Amino acid sequence: NAGVMQNPRHLVRRRGQEARLRCSPMKGHSHVYWYRQLPEEGLKFMVYLQKENIIDESGMPKERFSAEFPKEGPSILRIQQVVRGDSAAYFCASSPPGQGWIYNEQFFGPGTRLTVL
Amino acid sequence: AQTVTQSQPEMSVQEAETVTLSCTYDTSESDYYLFWYKQPPSRQMILVIRQEAYKQQNATENRFSVNFQKAAKSFSLKISDSQLGDAAMYFCAYRSARGGSQGNLIFGKGTKLSVKP
Repeated sequence: NAGVMQNPRHLVRRRGQEARLRCSPMKGHSHVYWYRQLPEEGLKFMVYLQKENIIDESGMPKERFSAEFPKEGPSILRIQQVVRGDSAAYFCASSPPGQGWIYNEQFFGPGTRLTVL
Repeated sequence: AQTVTQSQPEMSVQEAETVTLSCTYDTSESDYYLFWYKQPPSRQMILVIRQEAYKQQNATENRFSVNFQKAAKSFSLKISDSQLGDAAMYFCAYRSARGGSQGNLIFGKGTKLSVKP
């Protein structure tokens, strides 16, 4: 069973461009979380999605950021008109539906390091 | 809102010795989960150990164990017989047991552990 996959691993954008980060959860997982890690910081929650639904976007900046998790295909985190402050590592995590421990463990992808020039 | 505090930005341990990493948290909830994650230079987040708040018994995973003090809201990680491969950033994390929109992890800022040969 392949782990959580994220691509690209590294992404370089110039100010004003768009960044699209992809996350393919583990097989059978229908819950996806996005986190952002600034240099020398811990991970900060951004958004929690289930298939075709945004459950909690309380950590997402109000402008320029959006996320989706369609019925088919990976989850996408989209950043429009990137600025230098968006440079960070973006992690995706997934968990399966249901109750119990396995529901509460989140499995992380390797992250996408975004650099804005 | 819940918060997680790791008061030791850096720690160092001699190979084969024991080290304890501190974590405190703040919550008004009675039921929750606590985790320690390891982030090596590859930046992959790896779950080290987890604890359910309603369990009084401290969790143990091989050389890793926790000291969970619910009343004091303290959750320290002990690494015994430290190995060079243990060198990494260690993050303490909290997750509400309420589920629903409360599914995200709340992380501390991390402790950088160095292991001296």
